[in-house]
Amino acid sequence: NAGVTQTPKFQVLKTGQSMTLQCAQDMNHEYMSWYRQDPGMGLRLIHYSVGAGITDQGEVPNGYNVSRSTTEDFPLRLLSAAPSQTSVYFCASTLHQGSKGEKLFFGSGTQLSVL
Amino acid sequence: AQSVAQPEDQVNVAEGNPLTVKCTYSVSGNPYLFWYVQYPNRGLQFLLKYITGDNLVKGSYGFEAEFNKSQTSFHLKKPSALVSDSALYFCAVRDRGGGADGLTFGKGTHLIIQP
Repeated sequence: NAGVTQTPKFQVLKTGQSMTLQCAQDMNHEYMSWYRQDPGMGLRLIHYSVGAGITDQGEVPNGYNVSRSTTEDFPLRLLSAAPSQTSVYFCASTLHQGSKGEKLFFGSGTQLSVL
Repeated sequence: AQSVAQPEDQVNVAEGNPLTVKCTYSVSGNPYLFWYVQYPNRGLQFLLKYITGDNLVKGSYGFEAEFNKSQTSFHLKKPSALVSDSALYFCAVRDRGGGADGLTFGKGTHLIIQP
């Protein structure tokens, strides 16, 4: 099992460029999410999906789009990159264990710089 | 609304001494509570969770956490710190009645274990 695979690991963009961060999981989890990590602000939820074809906004969705055409893939799109989107991005998938709660599995992260 | 506070940006502990990393939370209902750890230049890993039952929860690498409902706290503890415990620790909460909303993470606490 590869778990959660994120690509690329590093990316530099110019202001106004667009790009897609890829995320794939092979654990057949229904719930997937994207977080951004900024110094002193912890992890903030951008978007999440409870299953194929269903997405919803998290805490900081502006400037980002997501889609979920398959259970495995949950790409995050930056429509027009801004310096404020310089951050480390983590994709996660959630194992729901009923009465035992849940557990997130994170990808290794994408360090994005917008100049 | 749900929120998490980690009041310490950094905690310094001598190797072999007990450690505590503090976390308090706010939810409208009953909480699911989690600790995640991020080792340098790596992704996040699950440490432990509180769902229900015993207030003292044991997790990976000898860590444990105590759920205190009256103080709305979920402090992370370890009886004897190791240098390899040095990392960034995140507390997270989700309201059990909060539907599909994702976890809310704290800002993180840098734990530094000095040899």
